Amino acid sequence: DAMVIQNPRYQVTQFGKPVTLSCSQTLNHNVMYWYQQKSSQAPKLLFHYYDKDFNNEADTPDNFQSRRPNTSFCFLDIRSPGLGDAAMYLCATSSATGLRYFGPGTRLTVT
Amino acid sequence: AQTVTQSQPEMSVQEAETVTLSCTYDTSESDYYLFWYKQPPSRQMILVIRQEAYKQQNATENRFSVNFQKAAKSFSLKISDSQLGDAAMYFCAYRSARRNDMRFGAGTRLTVKP
Repeated sequence: DAMVIQNPRYQVTQFGKPVTLSCSQTLNHNVMYWYQQKSSQAPKLLFHYYDKDFNNEADTPDNFQSRRPNTSFCFLDIRSPGLGDAAMYLCATSSATGLRYFGPGTRLTVT
Repeated sequence: AQTVTQSQPEMSVQEAETVTLSCTYDTSESDYYLFWYKQPPSRQMILVIRQEAYKQQNATENRFSVNFQKAAKSFSLKISDSQLGDAAMYFCAYRSARRNDMRFGAGTRLTVKP
């Protein structure tokens, strides 16, 4: 039973071409997160939503935006992808007890 | 800001043996949660074990147990009877009870030798 779903699993985009990554959850958790993970590195938190409240990390570039139209869905928009944005993007949700449930990730390639 | 340190970039263990992965953290808070996550080559992050800071008893989950030393700010993971399927990156993580963000350590790559 998939709980946190990310689409697509693999995304290729061109340098500078906007791209949107999708995350959905069946857990009804009110907190959703987006992490960026580069090869052999720890996941880096980009931002999170607590319900509709958006919380941006101080060092997240303006190039990264997010939308959460409802409890189930959260999107990551990269307005002008650069080569340095190639990474795995992980979506996660959180229960009231703080447990994180991660999606399988979307691997983004920028050509 | 809280930081999480994993001082072992790579570890290796023989199948059926025991291995301990180290994690230390820095915080001024008294109420928080600590986690160990496993990330196999498929890249899906899987929760291994969780510890609440207010609990003195070390968490245990089958072959996985932790040694939580609050005063020393240490949170090591012990894997007993290691199996080939345990091979993965292991991340230690910290979450404040007051905040929603979670901080990860740099990870330890565990290799299990048959």
